[in-house]
Amino acid sequence: AQSVTQLGSHVSVSEGALVLLRCNYSSSVPPYLFWYVQYPNQGLQLLLKYTSAATLVKGINGFEAEFKKSETSFHLTKPSAHMSDAAEYFCAVSDGSSASKIIFGSGTRLSIRP
Amino acid sequence: NAGVTQTPKFRILKIGQSMTLQCTQDMNHNYMYWYRQDPGMGLKLIYYSVGAGITDKGEVPNGYNVSRSTTEDFPLRLELAAPSQTSVYFCASSRAGDEQFFGPGTRLTVL
Repeated sequence: AQSVTQLGSHVSVSEGALVLLRCNYSSSVPPYLFWYVQYPNQGLQLLLKYTSAATLVKGINGFEAEFKKSETSFHLTKPSAHMSDAAEYFCAVSDGSSASKIIFGSGTRLSIRP
Repeated sequence: NAGVTQTPKFRILKIGQSMTLQCTQDMNHNYMYWYRQDPGMGLKLIYYSVGAGITDKGEVPNGYNVSRSTTEDFPLRLELAAPSQTSVYFCASSRAGDEQFFGPGTRLTVL
């Protein structure tokens, strides 16, 4: 069975500061890992995904995430936060099977202080 | 491409009423999904489909039904609405083993 744990339901950083959103997963098979972003009153949008190629994955809007198998982690980072980054972020895991079902974490709300 | 579209955007139902949430995608994806999102709970999978004529239950299927008569459409049916079904509902689609594309959501309130 697969699962995802996002550490911290709410993270607040200052504009220009480093953003770090934590995600740990468990999977019995090599996982596919995703980060999605949800802006207020909108659907989810893919930020980036890991599918067993490079362990450092670059996404949209300056975000990146590093797959660390030994730590079963897939933390999301951005060097310098912008006010427009305020949103809800979801980490997700899939086993890449034919059903392509994705298990989502509970989400982390990112707030940016001026 | 419109991507994934959902109607209606908002709906208020009385307890015991029924309704259908519509979902359509124009990307020729075989895989489609229905999720519900409750505050602080992330997304829970209600039903999914791997192709026309094939549907299967997700984590929280009770109180819902689906059908998939075409590749494009995947409606979600609530037969006897209950307050516990107050939520935001998202439809998504994907190719096999790839990212899921989400619709804008339907905000449902059951009073």
